[in-house]
Amino acid sequence: AQTVTQSQPEMSVQEAETVTLSCTYDTSESDYYLFWYKQPPSRQMILVIRQEAYKQQNATENRFSVNFQKAAKSFSLKISDSQLGDAAMYFCAYRSPFTSGTYKYIFGTGTRLKVLA
Amino acid sequence: DVKVTQSSRYLVKRTGEKVFLECVQDMDHENMFWYRQDPGLGLRLIYFSYDVKMKEKGDIPEGYSVSREKKERFSLILESASTNQTSMYLCASSLASIGGYEQYFGPGTRLTVT
Repeated sequence: AQTVTQSQPEMSVQEAETVTLSCTYDTSESDYYLFWYKQPPSRQMILVIRQEAYKQQNATENRFSVNFQKAAKSFSLKISDSQLGDAAMYFCAYRSPFTSGTYKYIFGTGTRLKVLA
Repeated sequence: DVKVTQSSRYLVKRTGEKVFLECVQDMDHENMFWYRQDPGLGLRLIYFSYDVKMKEKGDIPEGYSVSREKKERFSLILESASTNQTSMYLCASSLASIGGYEQYFGPGTRLTVT
């Protein structure tokens, strides 16, 4: 069965510094999708970044980038120049390929990021 | 912008009551989901619908049922609410099953069962 593990329940970063959130997953599939979602306090969850497993190039979105290591099944999120608005719960998610008429979407347990002024 | 709305932000119900949580999306998404979010457990899938009148059980369907009569609306039903169903409930939608489309989430309903 596929699993997603976020081993850091909570992290802190100083404003303007860089922080990396860890995520590992387990799957026997070769073609899948990985996501990082952000859930600010009392606000809706939104997509931060997406990575297709068939792409070797790491995805980037402005200050957010990932380090995708397919062989190691690792998918970490790097936030550069951290801002107070980055404070949130971050979830790593795995989406399986669509096979046999269905697919699975699995979330990690989340990492709460605090940004210190 | 995709919009996913949920009928209530906060709900308080008594044990044994039948509870309806409604979710509406306005972007013609085929797939809709209901999750339960608990501290330390992340998001756990309750039910998933990939088309009107179609549904599939997720990881924790016991004590819940769903209804999808129209494409834009997906309802979660607690047949007889219990205190262990006190939680945050999140609805989400996404485009078709093929392709790595992200999910769009509603604001959540915090349900308390007393």
